[in-house]
Amino acid sequence: QVQLQESGPGLMKPSETLSLTCTLSGDSMRNYYWSWIRQPPGKGLEWIGYAHYSGISNYNPSLKSRLTLLVDRSKNQLSLNLRSVTAADTAIYYCARGGTYDSSGYSLDSWGPGTLVTVSS
Amino acid sequence: DIQLTQSPSFLSASVGDRVTITCRASQGLGNYLAWYQQKPGKAPKLLIYLASTLQSGVPSRFSGSGSGTEFTLTISSLQPEDFAIYYCQQVNTYPRTFGQGTKVEIK
Repeated sequence: QVQLQESGPGLMKPSETLSLTCTLSGDSMRNYYWSWIRQPPGKGLEWIGYAHYSGISNYNPSLKSRLTLLVDRSKNQLSLNLRSVTAADTAIYYCARGGTYDSSGYSLDSWGPGTLVTVSS
Repeated sequence: DIQLTQSPSFLSASVGDRVTITCRASQGLGNYLAWYQQKPGKAPKLLIYLASTLQSGVPSRFSGSGSGTEFTLTISSLQPEDFAIYYCQQVNTYPRTFGQGTKVEIK
């Protein structure tokens, strides 16, 4: 059974770079679309983007200029780097496995518990 | 970006009720739509994918239907553990987008 666990700084200041890691266990990184989603406290879900085992990625245009998503196959980890954060980036950040068409119709079939990131001066 | 509009945004229902949530898309999705359930303090959980395929382990009282621009999630007999927020997500085009959510509360 796949398990995902996010880790990150918790609290950060405006203009800093947010770095998050998601560690995968119980599954291979092959074939799946390793995704990030965020949720401001009390609000809805926003898709951030994905990085694939093959090296391809796709980012939400609203974040693309500040965002880098990577997969580290040797460590079974995903990473997110978001530059120049502001208070608007305050959210719970989730990593999730995006399935193939056959496994789950490209849906997000396994999620980490999420990590809260607060941006405040 | 494709916009997804869920209705209602809030509903109050009793245990045993049949509940239906609608998700309307701003453009056609084929059947590339998923439904998720989120409980307080927890990550979302996949319920339905490809509009009508039940994810493994999800109770059969959940069902999905629709195609194109209109989709529904139905809970045939609401159980106490079903009180949560439900989101639809389109996986037809990038960027992926979610509906605003439907909160199901106890009447």
